[in-house]
Amino acid sequence: DADVTQTPRNRITKTGKRIMLECSQTKGHDRMYWYRQDPGLGLQLIYYSFDVKDINKGEISDGYSVSRQAQAKFSLSLESAIPNQTALYFCATSEPGHTGELFFGEGSRLTVL
Amino acid sequence: RKEVEQDPGPFNVPEGATVAFNCTYSNSASQSFFWYRQDCRKEPKLLMSVYSSGNEDGRFTAQLNRASQYISLLIRDSKLSDSATYLCVVNGGGSQGNLIFGKGTKLSVKP
Repeated sequence: DADVTQTPRNRITKTGKRIMLECSQTKGHDRMYWYRQDPGLGLQLIYYSFDVKDINKGEISDGYSVSRQAQAKFSLSLESAIPNQTALYFCATSEPGHTGELFFGEGSRLTVL
Repeated sequence: RKEVEQDPGPFNVPEGATVAFNCTYSNSASQSFFWYRQDCRKEPKLLMSVYSSGNEDGRFTAQLNRASQYISLLIRDSKLSDSATYLCVVNGGGSQGNLIFGKGTKLSVKP
């Protein structure tokens, strides 16, 4: 089983719908992240959390919200999805001390029609 | 100037070739540098960190030039399995949330 698991892996939805992407990890890491990847663009940080009580906005947080339900769970919500949120979303974890190694989930491909 | 810029791809090379990728970064305060590999439709995975003195891992060599603010990755004796997109990643300093990813350079190794 993957150490970082994302659900759903693929989702097609309509404009205005609420969507939640879930991430769970068995690595025991305190730090969790949500990234977005668009074709031809680098990974962009949406939100990150250093522990259960810590939530921080990344570079493109508008239109998104997150919830850190437990050390192992970090969910990303789109309250009212729009077509330009169509992208590949990755959850990642890391250890403190910043070795630079992020452990990514397999990604959630979201299409907003 | 974008924060992290990489060579435009794709690079199409024959097996056994040596190929080099360069990456430039804009923040002179950056302290940590990395190369990640991303296979098609897969998640990125850390390939190697980049140290000031340069470092080698088998066929892969990474170098850092702080004065010119660029990082390089050299792959010797390319294998078909090296085909992937290589992402240059820079820590801009401050919180760990500040990892900046380049757009990636696609490598295709042909028989």
